[in-house]
Amino acid sequence: SQQGEEDPQALSIQEGENATMNCSYKTSINNLQWYRQNSGRGLVHLILIRSNEREKHSGRLRVTLDTSKKSSSLLITASRAADTASYFCATDMASGSARQLTFGSGTQLTVLP
Amino acid sequence: SQTIHQWPATLVQPVGSPLSLECTVEGTSNPNLYWYRQAAGRGLQLLFYSVGIGQISSEVPQNLSASRPQDRQFILSSKKLLLSDSGFYLCAWSVLGGGTGELFFGEGSRLTVL
Repeated sequence: SQQGEEDPQALSIQEGENATMNCSYKTSINNLQWYRQNSGRGLVHLILIRSNEREKHSGRLRVTLDTSKKSSSLLITASRAADTASYFCATDMASGSARQLTFGSGTQLTVLP
Repeated sequence: SQTIHQWPATLVQPVGSPLSLECTVEGTSNPNLYWYRQAAGRGLQLLFYSVGIGQISSEVPQNLSASRPQDRQFILSSKKLLLSDSGFYLCAWSVLGGGTGELFFGEGSRLTVL
C-alpha cells in the first residue's frame, strides 16, 4: 500500500485563492517531499521538509509537518492558472545506500482563471 | 548542470512484443537510478533501482527487467509485454549514498500495450 496518501484527490479553486493539500503517512520518515507533475510530464521537486522541522517556506509554497500525526500539508498562496497540476507527497525512508521515496496518489489541482 | 534523458516518449506495442526503454543522465557521476511506473490518475510505483553498474534491485515481481550497463545508463526491458504493462514510465536519479533523497525525473515514456 502507499506510504503517503493525499487529500483531497481533486481540488478546484479560483485564481488568487489559496490551495491546501494534505498528506498522511504510516511509518517514521527521514524527510517528506512534495512534487508537482504537469499533465503528461515528469515530476518536479518543489520542497523538502526534514523530520525535525515543523514548517518550511519557498516562495508561495508553505509546507508543514506534524510527525505526531504523521501528516503534512502543502499550501499554495495566491494561486495562478499555471499552478494547475498534480501534486504528490513522497516520504523518504532510507534503506541501504539507495534513498527510496514512496509516493502518494496525488492531488489534482485545477486553478480557474 | 545535470540533465536526464528518457526515450522513446511514446510507444505503442502489441501484446507479446519486446520492450526497451532507455534513460541516460548527464552532468553527474555514480547516481542512484530508478524506474517508476505510474498508472493513469495514480501515484508512482517503484519498479527498480540501482546503486551502481550491474547492481539492480527489484521492488515488484513482474515480467519487466532492468539493466545498468554504464554508470549513467539505465534500461528497462521486457521480453513479452502484457496488457497490464501499459502505463507511464519514469526514470529518475538521485545523489548516491548521502543527500536528501531528492529525485530528478525524466519526462517519461508512455507505453500502450494493445
